[in-house]
Amino acid sequence: KNEVEQSPQNLTAQEGEFITINCSYSVGISALHWLQQHPGGGIVSLFMLSSGKKKHGRLIATINIQEKHSSLHITASHPRDSAVYICAARGSARQLTFGSGTQLTVLP
Amino acid sequence: EAGVTQSPTHLIKTRGQQATLRCSPISGHTSVYWYQQALGLGLQFLLWYDEGEERNRGNFPPRFSGRQFPNYSSELNVNALELEDSALYLCASTLGGAYNSPLHFGNGTRLTVT
Repeated sequence: KNEVEQSPQNLTAQEGEFITINCSYSVGISALHWLQQHPGGGIVSLFMLSSGKKKHGRLIATINIQEKHSSLHITASHPRDSAVYICAARGSARQLTFGSGTQLTVLP
Repeated sequence: EAGVTQSPTHLIKTRGQQATLRCSPISGHTSVYWYQQALGLGLQFLLWYDEGEERNRGNFPPRFSGRQFPNYSSELNVNALELEDSALYLCASTLGGAYNSPLHFGNGTRLTVT
């Protein structure tokens, strides 16, 4: 069993829809990262959070430490949001354990 | 500010050869991480260097090795290449000593082993 589980694996949405991607982890963490990977491979770090909630533009990330669960929300989704979203748990020795990723496609 | 740069962008090698991948971190970052993303698989942690020393390595055989230079740039070496080493190799840098500083990724090197 993977220590970091993401759902859904694939998600197709219409432009403007509200999107939620979930991440559950079974290990103790010091921080949880949300990453965005576009075709071609480049990765952008969206959020790093260890408690509560963070917001950047149309993106919101939340984490519940007690429940070992984090969510990434995208409001008013746009086709340019289409990408793979990956959550990663940072444990001891700064090692990251990655989820398998969520392929998001936003249709115009 | 220049981001994390990786070279080469693409690399084609034959089985049994050696591959060398390079990474230059963001100026001021002393920690460099290497990750492997094989086709259809998720990201896997390979190596972590900080202040010139290997601090941690993932579950990879010893033929995966590397080093960090005094200017904090890093090399990843893969010896005796196998077909399953074909993957995207990503480098990330962060401020050393800051336990929860954000990661900055390069665009990766795509290694193909034939």
